[in-house]
Amino acid sequence: SQKIEQNSEALNIQEGKTATLTCNYTNYSPAYLQWYRQDPGRGPVFLLLIRENEKEKRKERLKVTFDTTLKQSLFHITASQPADSATYLCALDPNQAGTALIFGKGTTLSVSS
Amino acid sequence: GAGVSQSPSNKVTEKGKDVELRCDPISGHTALYWYRQSLGQGLEFLIYFQGNSAPDKSGLPSDRFSAERTGGSVSTLTIQRTQQEDSAVYLCASSFKGTQYFGPGTRLTVL
Repeated sequence: SQKIEQNSEALNIQEGKTATLTCNYTNYSPAYLQWYRQDPGRGPVFLLLIRENEKEKRKERLKVTFDTTLKQSLFHITASQPADSATYLCALDPNQAGTALIFGKGTTLSVSS
Repeated sequence: GAGVSQSPSNKVTEKGKDVELRCDPISGHTALYWYRQSLGQGLEFLIYFQGNSAPDKSGLPSDRFSAERTGGSVSTLTIQRTQQEDSAVYLCASSFKGTQYFGPGTRLTVL
C-alpha cells in the first residue's frame, strides 16, 4: 500500500541545537516533495520544495534532503529557536500530475530555551 | 487580498443539519483544494478543482459531501445531514506552480 510517514509525532530539543525530522514514503514516485509548517489554529505554510533530481536544498536555517533510493526526505533546522516550535508536515505529489498532495501526519517540534 | 480566506472561522451545528463552508482563493490561482484535518491526524484530501476541468472528487468520504467552484474563483463545500464524525477543521488551499497556499480553516463542530 502507499504510505507517507513521519516517524516522530513529537521532537523536543534545546535551543541552539539542530532539529532533524524524517519523512519516509512507500510505493510512490513523486516528482517533488514539500515541507510545510503549521502553527496551532492555522493552516499549513509552505517552506521548501525539493525536486527528485535535487539532493539538497537550503533556505536560511532550513535544509532539506531528498533520497529517492531510500524514499526519504530529511528536514533540518539549524541553530533552532523557541519560535521554531510548530508542527512540520511533509507532502508529496503522488502521481506527478500536479493533483492534490498527500500529507504526512506531521512532527510536532518543541524547542526549549 | 493577500491570501486564501475562509468563512466562517468556526461553525457549531446540530447533527442532521446542512452546513456550507466558503473559500476565497488567491486571485489568479487556477487550482483549488479542500482538505479535512481531524485532531491529531494529517490532512485528508477531499476534492480538487483545476481550471474548467471536472473536479477530482475522489477524496469525498460520502455523498453527503459536495463542492462547487463558481466562476473559477470562490468555492463552497457543502455537508448535508451532518454527523458527529464530520467534526474537524476544513482547510482550503489554492495553488501556484505546485505550491499550495492554505487558508486559516473552518473549525466545524457537530453536536
